[in-house]
Amino acid sequence: GEDVEQSLFLSVREGDSSVINCTYTDSSSTYLYWYKQEPGAGLQLLTYIFSNMDMKQDQRLTVLLNKKDKHLSLRIADTQTGDSAIYFCAEIGMDSSYKLIFGSGTRLLVRP
Amino acid sequence: DVKVTQSSRYLVKRTGEKVFLECVQDMDHENMFWYRQDPGLGLRLIYFSYDVKMKEKGDIPEGYSVSREKKERFSLILESASTNQTSMYLCASSTAGTRKSPLHFGNGTRLTVT
Repeated sequence: GEDVEQSLFLSVREGDSSVINCTYTDSSSTYLYWYKQEPGAGLQLLTYIFSNMDMKQDQRLTVLLNKKDKHLSLRIADTQTGDSAIYFCAEIGMDSSYKLIFGSGTRLLVRP
Repeated sequence: DVKVTQSSRYLVKRTGEKVFLECVQDMDHENMFWYRQDPGLGLRLIYFSYDVKMKEKGDIPEGYSVSREKKERFSLILESASTNQTSMYLCASSTAGTRKSPLHFGNGTRLTVT
């Protein structure tokens, strides 16, 4: 079945860039998403990319998609302590209208 | 702004009890979902509903059932709670018709079964 994998933990210093990586197995993926979960809260959509795009930029966020390698990354420029959270990668395939497949989440810790 | 409200933030129940988790959304969304979140496992889909009285099993439906009698409300039922159902439960909703429609999540219910 489809699978989405992420590393579990990333620590960066405030002001540095963070890069969170994700790999997926479903070659029919149409949309790929990044969600952010702050402590005690549900998930909030950060950004998404359609599978025919290579890159999407939104203020401090840059999403890169390598469809050949099935690799997605989220770069956060000038990382702030408020960016400390769990970041989930998710994908939805051509065959599914509703079902997102989530990765296990990457906990980002921003050190002052 | 879309609001998805889960009725309880924390719940403690005993093994064998029947447990109801309630979720209400205020944006007239067609789709509603129940996920459970466990450390290292990410989010796993339990059930989803794409219309009133319609439901489909997700990846881990065993031990759970759902009810969608009204469009805005989606209930998750644990018929006989067990300790392995101790988890964080997240409800979400989305509009129908487009895959890029984002999921809007509630803040979660942390259920402990003792």
